[in-house]
Amino acid sequence: GAGVSQSPSNKVTEKGKDVELRCDPISGHTALYWYRQSLGQGLEFLIYFQGNSAPDKSGLPSDRFSAERTGGSVSTLTIQRTQQEDSAVYLCASSLARNTEAFFGQGTRLTVV
Amino acid sequence: QQPVQSPQAVILREGEDAVINCSSSKALYSVHWYRQKHGEAPVFLMILLKGGEQKGHEKISASFNEKKQQSSLYLTASQLSYSGTYFCGTEWGSGGYQKVTFGTGTKLQVIP
Repeated sequence: GAGVSQSPSNKVTEKGKDVELRCDPISGHTALYWYRQSLGQGLEFLIYFQGNSAPDKSGLPSDRFSAERTGGSVSTLTIQRTQQEDSAVYLCASSLARNTEAFFGQGTRLTVV
Repeated sequence: QQPVQSPQAVILREGEDAVINCSSSKALYSVHWYRQKHGEAPVFLMILLKGGEQKGHEKISASFNEKKQQSSLYLTASQLSYSGTYFCGTEWGSGGYQKVTFGTGTKLQVIP
């Protein structure tokens, strides 16, 4: 597609359930980022992929969070045993290379009830 | 490490100027600026590389002082469309890769 696509756009889940968030980056973009944005807050770095490798996982809040990227393209962010504090908008961004513009998806709004 | 932005919020009248500052405790490779309107995804404004260069985007420009590990975003003759939250992202790291970490944002509101 022309831009970064994220799905679902909205997700309501019960506390304790697992969720998967998907990101389709722009074709050819080697760098892929996941960020979390709570209501009215800044962009919290979660994880960064260069190709299929994740050299930096330091931003993942806990071991309930994991992410993978396959084929240097699609990425999935998985949250296990969701908690209410996980409620936020999860944004994915991709860029062609270092020092180039990052394009953000519209995000997935996750609500844990 | 998350960069620090100041001010946290600012209200301007159309035509006024504003400066948003971004500083980091780490040596930086580059600084990225984005603007996010309410309910929308962040949109790219510009990237500044090491070297203290200044870049411009219409009436929005920025500088990057590598030694001070600071960047400033200058908005001149502000327009209503400039309203939004501005984020600076600082690129740093080692081992052959860098990641971009964003500040907490500066909320800018331009009023008629």
